[in-house]
Amino acid sequence: DTGVSQDPRHKITKRGQNVTFRCDPISEHNRLYWYRQTLGQGPEFLTYFQNEAQLEKSRLLSDRFSAERPKGSFSTLEIQRTEQGDSAMYLCASSPNSPLDYEQYFGPGTRLTVT
Amino acid sequence: AQTVTQSQPEMSVQEAETVTLSCTYDTSESDYYLFWYKQPPSRQMILVIRQEAYKQQNATENRFSVNFQKAAKSFSLKISDSQLGDAAMYFCAYSNGGATNKLIFGTGTLLAVQP
Repeated sequence: DTGVSQDPRHKITKRGQNVTFRCDPISEHNRLYWYRQTLGQGPEFLTYFQNEAQLEKSRLLSDRFSAERPKGSFSTLEIQRTEQGDSAMYLCASSPNSPLDYEQYFGPGTRLTVT
Repeated sequence: AQTVTQSQPEMSVQEAETVTLSCTYDTSESDYYLFWYKQPPSRQMILVIRQEAYKQQNATENRFSVNFQKAAKSFSLKISDSQLGDAAMYFCAYSNGGATNKLIFGTGTLLAVQP
């Protein structure tokens, strides 16, 4: 299966701890997105990479959040000093850079629970 | 700012029957894209159907079709011959394309299919 993969699938952490999630996009896709989905809501955009460049960040992405995409391949999303309000599903998506193919392909998500 | 509204938190349909899920959106753009995504329980989100705003013809994908009313800013999804596998959360999403092509999602409609 060459779809978008995310690791870990589930993460339970204590408030105040740091966590890091990984996303591996479809190999030929140079666009990569992070979204956050809380219970009963649709996903909300967090940040966007084109290759290794982070081109847009949502105001939802506080300074405790940082994302990277070294070498334009996999991406990591780190949350420092986690808070209970950070509990959510974190979704990664990728898409090709073609204006004719703008479909975003989603990974299975990482469910974060902050206790 | 663009918004997407799904006013039906839950819907139910009998197997083999037809169901329509509603979506409205707000934008000042003239060119944009609309999507319906399906999120089965504990599985990743997949694209069901998409519509380019510049196309007057409604999109169709097998048993799935849309009713796109640009002036009314309405984008409903019709599922014909409903199957048990159609049971899922359905999200309506908007993108204005642009540099990031980020998606703005509605809150979702949970569809149950009764045998």
